[in-house]
Amino acid sequence: QLQLQESGPGLVKPSETLSLTCTVSGGSISSSSYYWGWIRQPPGKGLEWIGSIYYSGSTYYNPSLKSRVTISVDTSKNQFSLKLSSVTAADTAVYYCARIRLRMDSSGWYNAFDIWGQGTMVTVSS
Amino acid sequence: QSVLTQPPSVSAAPGQKVTISCSGSSSNIGNNYVSWYQQLPGTAPKLLIYDNNKRPSGIPDRFSGSKSGTSATLGITGLQTGDEADYYCGTWDSSLSAGRLVFGGGTKLTVL
Repeated sequence: QLQLQESGPGLVKPSETLSLTCTVSGGSISSSSYYWGWIRQPPGKGLEWIGSIYYSGSTYYNPSLKSRVTISVDTSKNQFSLKLSSVTAADTAVYYCARIRLRMDSSGWYNAFDIWGQGTMVTVSS
Repeated sequence: QSVLTQPPSVSAAPGQKVTISCSGSSSNIGNNYVSWYQQLPGTAPKLLIYDNNKRPSGIPDRFSGSKSGTSATLGITGLQTGDEADYYCGTWDSSLSAGRLVFGGGTKLTVL
């Protein structure tokens, strides 16, 4: 059974770079049918998609975060990673990684986050 | 401010039926598929509905999804206290120069 697990520092200082890794177990990150992505949820608020990556390295980013976000994949380790630069208190959130069914045809975009990690809380504070 | 609008809260008694709406536009729901997620307190979201009306394996048929025009609806019948959660709709949005995945603001379901 496929599982995802986030890891990384729980506390990041303002203006520094937040770095998280998602390890995929029970299946291959090189599956041709799925993207892999990051979603965050500030305390008491809703979900925000950060970005997604295909095993080949092709990426989609949320335009509102694109200038600060880098998502990369390491197929040899079955992992993908998130870097968010110049963080502020507004970036304090639970960060989730997820597997995403994402494809487009003449009917539109098919999209579904079908497997999620448990999430990791990241606080931005000095 | 999300491009997908959900009611902040809904409530119903155990055993009853409830619907949760998700309103968008031709840039998102109108031309793309919709998914729905359930987030129980303190846990990660879980996929309930994908491709507008399909249920993943293990999701009971008490949960249903539909789409009409630029709106989508999640229906839950035979409400149980364990259904108390936040529910989110999601889809692809192309209103900006670059497309993006978006979620609704979420709806808190209370089972009275």
